[in-house]
Amino acid sequence: GAGVSQTPSNKVTEKGKYVELRCDPISGHTALYWYRQSLGQGPEFLIYFQGTGAADDSGLPNDRFFAVRPEGSVSTLKIQRTERGDSAVYLCASSLMGQGRSRELFFGEGSRLTVL
Amino acid sequence: AQSVAQPEDQVNVAEGNPLTVKCTYSVSGNPYLFWYVQYPNRGLQFLLKYITGDNLVKGSYGFEAEFNKSQTSFHLKKPSALVSDSALYFCAVGAGANNLFFGTGTRLTVIP
Repeated sequence: GAGVSQTPSNKVTEKGKYVELRCDPISGHTALYWYRQSLGQGPEFLIYFQGTGAADDSGLPNDRFFAVRPEGSVSTLKIQRTERGDSAVYLCASSLMGQGRSRELFFGEGSRLTVL
Repeated sequence: AQSVAQPEDQVNVAEGNPLTVKCTYSVSGNPYLFWYVQYPNRGLQFLLKYITGDNLVKGSYGFEAEFNKSQTSFHLKKPSALVSDSALYFCAVGAGANNLFFGTGTRLTVIP
C-alpha cells in the first residue's frame, strides 16, 4: 500500500486478556517504530526495529509488552495480561534506513486499544 | 537528556490572520527538530524539519518554522491561517539515534 497500515483500528478487550496489534509499513522502509499515545499526550516511543531485529526496545514499559518483525516488514505488537492503563492509541511509523536522527517518520492511523 | 515543551495547549486564531505555535527544546548536541500535524481520526503527518543550514525552514501547506539557537525555540508559523489548518500540532526532537521525542501537542483552532 501507499502508506503505513495498522490493524485493527479499534480493539476493545477485557482486563487480563492478550492483544496483538499489527503494522504493515511502507514498502522499502527498513526502519519501523511503535509509539503509544495516551489521551492529551504526545506519542511516546516504545520500540524501534531496523530490519528484523529490535535495535532499541528501551521504551517498552514492562515485560508484558513485546514486539516482533520476523521478516523485516510487518510487525506485531503483543500485550499480555492487559491492564486498564494500557488503554491508548498505538501508533506505528516507518522510515527509510540510514537517516539517523534526521529521519522523517511516516505514521499509520493507529490502533485504539480500550481495556475494560 | 532531551525534552520538548509546547507551552500552549490551545491556540485560537481568526481565519486570514498569522498564526504561531510555540515550541522550545532541550537537547545535548545538535538539535534535529520536527513539526507534525494530526487531523481528527488521521495519523500524524510530517510538516517540516530542521537539521542544519538556514534557520527558516519551509514545509507543507504553507507552514514554516524558525530555529532560534539562543532561545532554544522552534516556533511554527503561517502568514495566513485557514480553517482547514485546525488540528493538533506536535513539536518533536530527534532523540538518540533511533526515535523522536514529542511534545504534548497544541490544538490549533482557526475561527472563520
